[in-house]
Amino acid sequence: DTEVTQTPKHLVMGMTNKKSLKCEQHMGHRAMYWYKQKAKKPPELMFVYSYEKLSINESVPSRFSPECPNSSLLNLHLHALQPEDSALYLCASSRDQDLTYEQYFGPGTRLTVT
Amino acid sequence: AQSVTQLDSQVPVFEEAPVELRCNYSSSVSVYLFWYVQYPNQGLQLLLKYLSGSTLVESINGFEAEFNKSQTSFHLRKPSVHISDTAEYFCAVSDRRNQGGKLIFGQGTELSVKP
Repeated sequence: DTEVTQTPKHLVMGMTNKKSLKCEQHMGHRAMYWYKQKAKKPPELMFVYSYEKLSINESVPSRFSPECPNSSLLNLHLHALQPEDSALYLCASSRDQDLTYEQYFGPGTRLTVT
Repeated sequence: AQSVTQLDSQVPVFEEAPVELRCNYSSSVSVYLFWYVQYPNQGLQLLLKYLSGSTLVESINGFEAEFNKSQTSFHLRKPSVHISDTAEYFCAVSDRRNQGGKLIFGQGTELSVKP
């Protein structure tokens, strides 16, 4: 099973809402990633978790809060977002944080902030 | 720091024609090189990668890329494309010295295969 699942597929939220994005993998991978992708642009790395600890935070605003409850799950908690945060949010996982290992991507959550 | 330039934002091509998607990189250190593909409404998938050894790397679906150190290029080629190859293709690099770092992506090339 080389699948990374993400829920929900689509999310519309207001600027005062609190919501969460979920990501799950059962490949035994120990590194998990959140990326943000705007239309017609490459993915931008947001966070990396390695062995359930936050390893990289690419200076992401605090209205995005990641959480890794266990080695299979990765959440992204959203609060007080701005319309410019509307994007496709991609989760990925890899065997570990070594970039020589393939990153497996989920299909993404398309977020619209109104 | 590294940077990646994908020279063509869009490449339209007819089915069964050959195609080349160009990728140049800039780096003061040795790099690993990757091509990822993103089909419509999907996440990215690794197509192929160059880590070391033979400079010509191949994927299982007929794509190949050649690492050219002197020209700092990693162009992607396929001798005969199919409609199903229509997708966005991203070239990426990473720093060999910092394997726990991050991928640096190019801006992407939209390959559109027409019947």
